[in-house]
Formats: sequence, structure tokens, C-alpha cells
Amino acid sequence: SAVISQKPSRDICQRGTSLTIQCQVDSQVTMMFWYRQQPGQSLTLIATANQGSEATYESGFVIDKFPISRPNLTFSTLTVSNMSPEDSSIYLCSGGQGETQYFGPGTRLLVL
Amino acid sequence: SQQGEEDPQALSIQEGENATMNCSYKTSINNLQWYRQNSGRGLVHLILIRSNEREKHSGRLRVTLDTSKKSSSLLITASRAADTASYFCATADEAGGTSYGKLTFGQGTILTVHP
Repeated sequence: SAVISQKPSRDICQRGTSLTIQCQVDSQVTMMFWYRQQPGQSLTLIATANQGSEATYESGFVIDKFPISRPNLTFSTLTVSNMSPEDSSIYLCSGGQGETQYFGPGTRLLVL
Repeated sequence: SQQGEEDPQALSIQEGENATMNCSYKTSINNLQWYRQNSGRGLVHLILIRSNEREKHSGRLRVTLDTSKKSSSLLITASRAADTASYFCATADEAGGTSYGKLTFGQGTILTVHP
């Protein structure tokens, strides 16, 4: 199994600003992903964080809005850029070596 | 986009009763996983069932998978107040493609277990 931590756990931000969320895994994992969970909703995949190369984004998500880095096999960051109230969500990273994906505790973001 | 439906959307039971949640999906899958989420926190992995398996047990959890009907069920036996949470099914596409490891989540079932 993998233990995943995220920072910050929550934040309140002003519209127009950006927030970078960090995801740390306690062991090397092949795959890392970022998900968004809007209030009262299920999880939606934002992108696959690729080690050493550009992330692969899902339909409806773009790099300019959600730039992602993954410098090594245990760490990734997601930036939510030029935020608006519609970006208020829980952002979760996941990682895994095989079939099972383990999730971080999430970052609860409120944009005013 | 969401893979499919979960039902019921909400389930309220008494401690000691069994809880059954159902999940349907649309595409061919490699495996199906169930997760629990407490009060908008992180997801806890409960159980994984592969496409060639029909039933799996883990403690008080029993998961079934019917690939012909593209559906799965999660049974929690002898429920406890601590089981109160949201439960999500998530499917992983068939292995070998660029989408390996990505999960598509159902809408979730909110389970409330009353003491």
C-alpha cells in the first residue's frame, strides 16, 4: 500500500489568485493522478501526472488552468490558477504501483 | 464523465442491519474498486474485484461483480454507526491502454447507520 499526504489540507483564497497543492507519497509509485470533487458530487479526473514530462489532461481540463508537475516518482503538485468561486472543491491526488489506487486526504478549497 | 449509476443515492439503516449498495457501469473494465469517504475527506480503499472474478470478501464486506450486466454490489453485514460514510464504486479500464490506472467514479451512496 501507499500512504499519501497533501498540503495544504484546506485554504480560503480570493478570486484571481492561484494555489499550489502538494502531494507526497511514502513510496515510489508508477501512476499519480489528480481528481476534483465539487460540493456534493463524485470525483472527476483532472489529469495524469507523468514523471518527467507534461501531464495528460482529461476533456474539459487544460494546462493553463491546472498546471501539474511531477519531478520524481513520489511527489507532484497541482496549481489551480486564476481562481473563481466555481473552483471551490476538494482536490485529491492518488497514486499506485499496480491496480489499486490510494488517495490522499484531499485539499478543501474555498474561493471567495 | 461519470461511468454510471449507483443506487440507492442514500440509505438509512439501524445498527446491526445489512447495507447493500449497487453500481452500474457502461464500458468494459479491468477491475472495479469500492471506496469509502467520511465527511468529505480522503478516500479509503475497501476492496478490488477483477473482471474475471464474481465475488470477493473482506471482513464484513462482500462484493459481487456481474460483467454481463455491467453491475456490482457492495454488501456490508452487521453494520455499525462507524460505517456511516459515502461509498463510491470506481472502474478501471482494461489494462494495456494509456488509461491504465485511471478510475471513473460512480455517483456514490450516502450510508447512515443509526445507533
